[in-house]
Amino acid sequence: AQTVTQSQPEMSVQEAETVTLSCTYDTSENNYYLFWYKQPPSRQMILVIRQEAYKQQNATENRFSVNFQKAAKSFSLKISDSQLGDTAMYFCAFRTSQAGTALIFGKGTTLSVSS
Amino acid sequence: DSGVTQTPKHLITATGQRVTLRCSPRSGDLSVYWYQQSLDQGLQFLIQYYNGEERAKGNILERFSAQQFPDLHSELNLSSLELGDSALYFCASSAPFGGTGKNTIYFGEGSWLTVV
Repeated sequence: AQTVTQSQPEMSVQEAETVTLSCTYDTSENNYYLFWYKQPPSRQMILVIRQEAYKQQNATENRFSVNFQKAAKSFSLKISDSQLGDTAMYFCAFRTSQAGTALIFGKGTTLSVSS
Repeated sequence: DSGVTQTPKHLITATGQRVTLRCSPRSGDLSVYWYQQSLDQGLQFLIQYYNGEERAKGNILERFSAQQFPDLHSELNLSSLELGDSALYFCASSAPFGGTGKNTIYFGEGSWLTVV
């Protein structure tokens, strides 16, 4: 069975600083997809970034980037130039490449950005 | 706006009652997923449907059931409600593999259920 582990329950950072959220996963699959979702206080689930396991290049979306280490089964999220609006719970999620499979989520990391 | 629509947004009901949560997936998406998020819990996968058929089951209680209709909308039925069922229930949808969306699952805004 696949599992996703986020070892940092809470993190805090000052505005404009860089922060890295950790995620590890366990799977015997070779092809899969990894995601980071953001859940602000409104509780809406917002996709931040996604990574296909077959791609060696790390995904980047504006201030958000990932460090994908397939052999180590590690998928960390780096937020550069942190903004107050980045304050949220961040969930790491895994999905196999089999058609229509569900997402498996980690327990989340609460990120607080202060001025 | 993810394109996934959930109703109602908020619902308060008494213990022992039954409620139905409704979800309309994004246009063209065949898969619908239901997740439960309690106050201090992560996201628990409940059940998934693909083009009208049940595809996968997660931690769904026997008191809960779901279905996906021919027009692809889905309903989650919660019966004999208990205080512990109070949670945020998410519906999500995804495109068929090989289609657009890069295998991403998109979430609705959720339905807040409070059982009193």
